[in-house]
Amino acid sequence: AQTVTQSQPEMSVQEAETVTLSCTYDTSENNYYLFWYKQPPSRQMILVIRQEAYKQQNATENRFSVNFQKAAKSFSLKISDSQLGDTAMYFCAFMSKDSARQLTFGSGTQLTVLP
Amino acid sequence: DTGVSQDPRHKITKRGQNVTFRCDPISEHNRLYWYRQTLGQGPEFLTYFQNEAQLEKSRLLSDRFSAERPKGSFSTLEIQRTEQGDSAMYLCASSKTSGDYNEQFFGPGTRLTVL
Repeated sequence: AQTVTQSQPEMSVQEAETVTLSCTYDTSENNYYLFWYKQPPSRQMILVIRQEAYKQQNATENRFSVNFQKAAKSFSLKISDSQLGDTAMYFCAFMSKDSARQLTFGSGTQLTVLP
Repeated sequence: DTGVSQDPRHKITKRGQNVTFRCDPISEHNRLYWYRQTLGQGPEFLTYFQNEAQLEKSRLLSDRFSAERPKGSFSTLEIQRTEQGDSAMYLCASSKTSGDYNEQFFGPGTRLTVL
């Protein structure tokens, strides 16, 4: 079974600054995906960024990038030039390529961007 | 709007009553997932369908929980004899199955409160 751990329940950052959210996971599998999802207040969950485990290059999506350390089972999210609209709960998630494709989520980090 | 929709958005019920939630996936998506999210936690996988077949249901929380997708389109999640511990957000997601990776798109959720 997989587990995903987010050890930062809450974080805050000043607008335009950079913030890094941490995530660690545990799995015995080799083929999997890792994700960061964003859940704004009272709105639905949306995918921020995805990383395939076999790819060594870290994924980037505009202001969002990850630091994927496979040996350490670490998957952090960096948000550059933070905007007020980035305020949300952020979830790290794991998906095995070999199973039913369900997502296993961490407990989340509430990020607040301060004006 | 062609996203995933869920109905109702909020449900308040008394302990012991039965409740049913509906999920309408994105029209061309043949996979449909149900998750439960309790306060302060990440979503927890419950079950999923590929077309009308329920391929994983061992993670349903008890035999009071059941799900159907009779024609491979919309799905329902029923909770019988509700308990206060069932209070949570119930999320639905859908995806395609073509290719190696298919993003899960989430609905807005149904918030259940059991009094």
